[in-house]
Amino acid sequence: EVQLLESGGGLVQPGGSLRLSCAASGFTFYSNGMGWVRQAPGKGLEWVSSIIPSGGHADYADSVKGRFTVSRDNSKNTLYLQMNSLRAEDTAVYYCAKREALYDSSAYYYFFDFWGQGSLVTVSS
Amino acid sequence: DIQMTQSPSSLSASVGDRVTITCRASQTISNYLNWYQHKPGKAPNLLIFAASTLQSGVPSRFSGSGSGTDFTLTISSLHPEDFATYYCQQSYIFPLTFGGGTTVVIK
Repeated sequence: EVQLLESGGGLVQPGGSLRLSCAASGFTFYSNGMGWVRQAPGKGLEWVSSIIPSGGHADYADSVKGRFTVSRDNSKNTLYLQMNSLRAEDTAVYYCAKREALYDSSAYYYFFDFWGQGSLVTVSS
Repeated sequence: DIQMTQSPSSLSASVGDRVTITCRASQTISNYLNWYQHKPGKAPNLLIFAASTLQSGVPSRFSGSGSGTDFTLTISSLHPEDFATYYCQQSYIFPLTFGGGTTVVIK
């Protein structure tokens, strides 16, 4: 059974830092891309970042580029999100998600097929 | 960035109703379109990927269609557990983008 367990959320002051972790189990972690998606209070889902299986490349939303860094430790089956220079607008529940790929008709289709329960990050003074 | 626009933003329906949610992309995305269901306090749940492929374990009353810029999610007969918020998401190009969501509430 696939399980994704986020940790590390909490209350932080504006300008502060926080690191989220996502412990994965039930699948071959090093074979899958992973991602972070957040949901601000009363808002919809917003993609934050994605990282390839090796960890050698990552993509970011413009809203977090230069402040957030995604990484992974395949020996520990763990995904991380280092969040620096936090702002009030970063307040959200952060979900980690497993990315799956399907090859069909000479194209790859990517989607998030399993998600964690989320970790709340509150940025406030 | 590709903008994803869902309509309606909310709808009220009864158990047994047929429900259709639409999603429009600001530029063509072929069939790189996924649908998720999200309930408060729960992890989002993948329903459909590649516009029309049903994820394993998802009931067959859910279906997706469309290509290019216009897509639909249809629930053929609403069940009590289907009251939730539904999101489309394009996987054509980074940055990945979600629609604003459609909340299905009980009439």
